[in-house]
Amino acid sequence: AQSVTQLGSHVSVSEGALVLLRCNYSSSVPPYLFWYVQYPNQGLQLLLKYTTGATLVKGINGFEAEFKKSETSFHLTKPSAHMSDAAEYFCAVNRGSQGNLIFGKGTKLSVKP
Amino acid sequence: ETGVTQSPTHLIKTRGQQVTLRCSSQSGHNTVSWYQQALGQGPQFIFQYYREEENGRGNFPPRFSGLQFPNYSSELNVNALELDDSALYLCASSLLAGVGEQFFGPGTRLTVL
Repeated sequence: AQSVTQLGSHVSVSEGALVLLRCNYSSSVPPYLFWYVQYPNQGLQLLLKYTTGATLVKGINGFEAEFKKSETSFHLTKPSAHMSDAAEYFCAVNRGSQGNLIFGKGTKLSVKP
Repeated sequence: ETGVTQSPTHLIKTRGQQVTLRCSSQSGHNTVSWYQQALGQGPQFIFQYYREEENGRGNFPPRFSGLQFPNYSSELNVNALELDDSALYLCASSLLAGVGEQFFGPGTRLTVL
């Protein structure tokens, strides 16, 4: 069975600092992995995805994530935080033929000026 | 290209009532998935429809039901509403059931009093 664990429900960084949001997954099959961002009172926007191939995935707004099979991790990073990055971030794994995404509980990112 | 739209934006109901939420999928997409996002939680999969047939269901009781129409739009119906049904309901559309990238709508906020 697939599952996702996001370490840290709340992360606070200063503007310009490195952003690191952690995600570990459990999957009995090769996973498809996703990071979504949710701004207040809005739906989810896809930041990036890993399906197959290159393990370092680049997404929108300067975010990237690296798939590490040995560590069952898919951490999200951004070299320099911007105030507009403040939002909630969700890591998700796809159950393949079942079609649904399994989400972590989310990490709320705060950015201090 | 029109994105995923949902209606209504907000809804207030009382316990025991029934509710219908609507979703228009992105142009060209034939798959719709519904998720429930309780406050402070990640989205949880309710069910998915692919070409008008249910293609997977999460751990939700039968009073949660759905439909997909020939134009691939979809409805989520919830009967006998309970207080715990209060949540943000998200619709996501994709081109391929299972592995297709899912695009989310803005959601419908349901409050059950």
